[in-house]
Formats: sequence, C-alpha cells, structure tokens
Amino acid sequence: AQSVTQPDARVTVSEGASLQLRCKYSYSGTPYLFWYVQYPRQGLQLLLKYYSGDPVVQGVNGFEAEFSKSNSSFHLRKASVHWSDSAVYFCVWPNQGGSAKLIFGEGTKLTVSS
Amino acid sequence: GGIITQTPKFLIGQEGQKLTLKCQQNFNHDTMYWYRQDSGKGLRLIYYSITENDLQKGDLSEGYDASREKKSSFSLTVTSAQKNEMAVFLCASSTGSCQNTLYFGAGTRLSVL
Repeated sequence: AQSVTQPDARVTVSEGASLQLRCKYSYSGTPYLFWYVQYPRQGLQLLLKYYSGDPVVQGVNGFEAEFSKSNSSFHLRKASVHWSDSAVYFCVWPNQGGSAKLIFGEGTKLTVSS
Repeated sequence: GGIITQTPKFLIGQEGQKLTLKCQQNFNHDTMYWYRQDSGKGLRLIYYSITENDLQKGDLSEGYDASREKKSSFSLTVTSAQKNEMAVFLCASSTGSCQNTLYFGAGTRLSVL
C-alpha cells in the first residue's frame, strides 16, 4: 500500500547536537511531501514542504529536509537542536500523489535533553 | 490571517450517545478536514470536504458522520460514543491543492464515561 512511514517513534538528542528524523514513502511517482510539528499544548504547524525542484528544502527554525527518490525518503534535519525543538514531528503525504486526502505518518516524538 | 475555531474544547459523553463537534474557519478555504489523534499516536483522517456540501471518507470514517453545509463550517458527529473512548479531534483547512498548507484548530478533547 502507498504510504509514509516514520520508523522511529521516539528520538532523544542532546541540546546542540545534530538531528535527523526519518521518513520513508512508498509511492511509484514523485510525491508531494511535508513535515508538520506539534509542540506541547499547541496546534500543528507546517515546517516545510517539497513538491519539485531542489531536493533540499528549507523550513522554519533552521530545519531542512532532503528528498531522495532513489531511497524513497524525505528525512528531516537540523544542525543544532535547542530544547524548544522538543515536539512531535509528522511526515505527511497526499494519498495517491496529488489528492487533497492528506495522510499523516505515525509521528516521531523528539526530546532534547540539556 | 485567519483562525480555525473548534467547539467545544472539551466534550464528555456517555456510552452510546450521539455527539457533535463543530469547526469554523475564516480563511475562506475550500477544503476542510477532520482528524482523530489518540494519545501518543499519529493523526488519522476521518472525513474531508473539498467544497460546500461535499464529503469524502477518510480511513477512519466508520462510526462518524460529517456535514459541510457552508464553506466556513464543517461538523463531525460521533454516531455512538464508545465507553472509555478518549481522543482529540482536530479540524484543519487548506486552499484545496495538495501543495498547500494545512491550518489546524486547537482541537476538541473527547472523553466517554
């Protein structure tokens, strides 16, 4: 079945360390892909999105993601995390590549330790 | 800017009860969504609507009804609340293209006694 998978339910990193959160997609075409973040006691917000062009996309707060067709991946990265980055991160995909039916991955809970 | 307002913020129901959740947006967006989030889990799509009076089923539509009578509002009905059910229901809207940003409401937290 076509989908997105976030293989890591929880990730803990030290403040100042680099971060990679993984997202794998299963789709035969080139998908649109998004990362959303859910901060504690706040609503969900868009971090970044990819739908064509440069495979590295920049988002808010120093986050970036790299699309790889060969690896079927859209991993999220940050060079140096801050304690305020602690949140749940979701990889999101419009089902069947272009529909309005947006499907969320299971999410990765990031804890930044000081 | 705009805002998505979900009411009520908290909803406590009894087993078997029919419960209605409401969502209003002033973005003038075409597409609206209802997602369910269980504790520690991802979001599962219940229903979405790409225009007024349109309804599209998500992966979790069984046990729910939805209604989009106006462009600005999208309501969700739990047809028969399940005992001990606890979840957060999130409403979102977008301009409609799959490329566009989803804007979320703060959620309705449901508890069933």
